[in-house]
Parts: sequence; structure tokens; C-alpha cells
Amino acid sequence: RKEVEQDPGPFNVPEGATVAFNCTYSNSASQSFFWYRQDCRKEPKLLMSVYSSGNEDGRFTAQLNRASQYISLLIRDSKLSDSATYLCVVNSLGSSGDKLTFGTGTRLAVRP
Amino acid sequence: DAGVIQSPRHEVTEMGQEVTLRCKPISGHDYLFWYRQTMMRGLELLIYFNNNVPIDDSGMPEDRFSAKMPNASFSTLKIQPSEPRDSAVYFCASSDRQTSYEQYFGPGTRLTVT
Repeated sequence: RKEVEQDPGPFNVPEGATVAFNCTYSNSASQSFFWYRQDCRKEPKLLMSVYSSGNEDGRFTAQLNRASQYISLLIRDSKLSDSATYLCVVNSLGSSGDKLTFGTGTRLAVRP
Repeated sequence: DAGVIQSPRHEVTEMGQEVTLRCKPISGHDYLFWYRQTMMRGLELLIYFNNNVPIDDSGMPEDRFSAKMPNASFSTLKIQPSEPRDSAVYFCASSDRQTSYEQYFGPGTRLTVT
């Protein structure tokens, strides 16, 4: 089983739609969680951190369920500029220290 | 700050040749990471350094790969000899763990081995 699993998509949605991405992780000792965004042929960039209580940043809402080892990202009122790949990222403490593990990403395409 | 700088941006080489990828992290960051990204496997951590010391190289695919960080502002990833299956985008990232876990990525080096 992969450490971080995501639905690869693609999700094709019209502008203005609400779309949700899910992610599961296997290491119950994972400590920190993030969503990164990667545009085509560009580097990944941090979109938002995910807190236990859930957090919101404008049109973006992230949720964490530690019991189910599940993370979600909700995007409301989708814009064309939201088209990208969204990477679920988990920070875990291992024998060599802590490190980030990236999911393979969920691709979103927003159409006019 | 200019961000993480990587060179070259593109590299095309023939099988068997040595390839050296370079990275300059953001000034003041104490962690440096090398990743490889392919369509099939996504983003994989190869190795990371803390204060120029390699901490975890368990992601390095095999002995053909080596990485060094001779000082706080420079790191190299070397592949010798290169093989077609090494074709991928190689990212370098750095972070300041005193403030957050956020990693700042460079633009990547797109490597093609023919």
C-alpha cells in the first residue's frame, strides 16, 4: 500500500462548480498535512496546511480525519485558474528524522 | 530572494554519460531535498540534507546516483553512468525548519537520457 494515496482524476468541472479531492495516508504516526499545487511543467507550491480542526482559505477548505487517516480539499466556485494538479502531502517521523511524502496528485481541469 | 535555483533547466544526454545537476537553496534554509518526478511514480524523495549533512538517502535508486552538499549554498546530484530510465524531472527544494515544514521547490531539471 502506498503511504499517500489519491484519486488521479482528472476531474473535469465547469467554472463555478464545487469539487472535492480526497487523500488517505497509511502511517498513523503522521504529524503534519498539506496540500500543494503543481501547474503543468512547473514546480509544486504550497497551497495550504491542514489542521485538525479544519481550515479555510478563501474558496479552499481543508479537512483532516485522523481516525480514518483521511484528508480532503474542497474548492468552491471553481475558476479557470484553478486548473492544476493537487498533491496531498504528509509529514511523518521516521528513524532518520521527519520527511514529507507526496501523493501522486489529482488533476483538475476547469472548463469555461 | 531569488528562490531555489537549479541548473541546467534541461539536459539531454546519451546513455552511459555522466550527468550533474546543481542546486542553490534559499539563503538561510537548513534543509535541502532532492526529488525525482515521473508520470508513473509521481514525486519521489531521493535524499535530504540537514545543515549540509545527508540524513536519509534511502530513496536513492542505486549506486549510480550520488549527492553532495559541500556548503550551505550548493548541492549536486550526480548520475554516473546515466540510463534511459533515469529520464525524469529532478527537483531540488529547501526549507527553514525553524519556522515551518513548507518546502520551496526550484524550477526543476528536465533530464532526457537517450
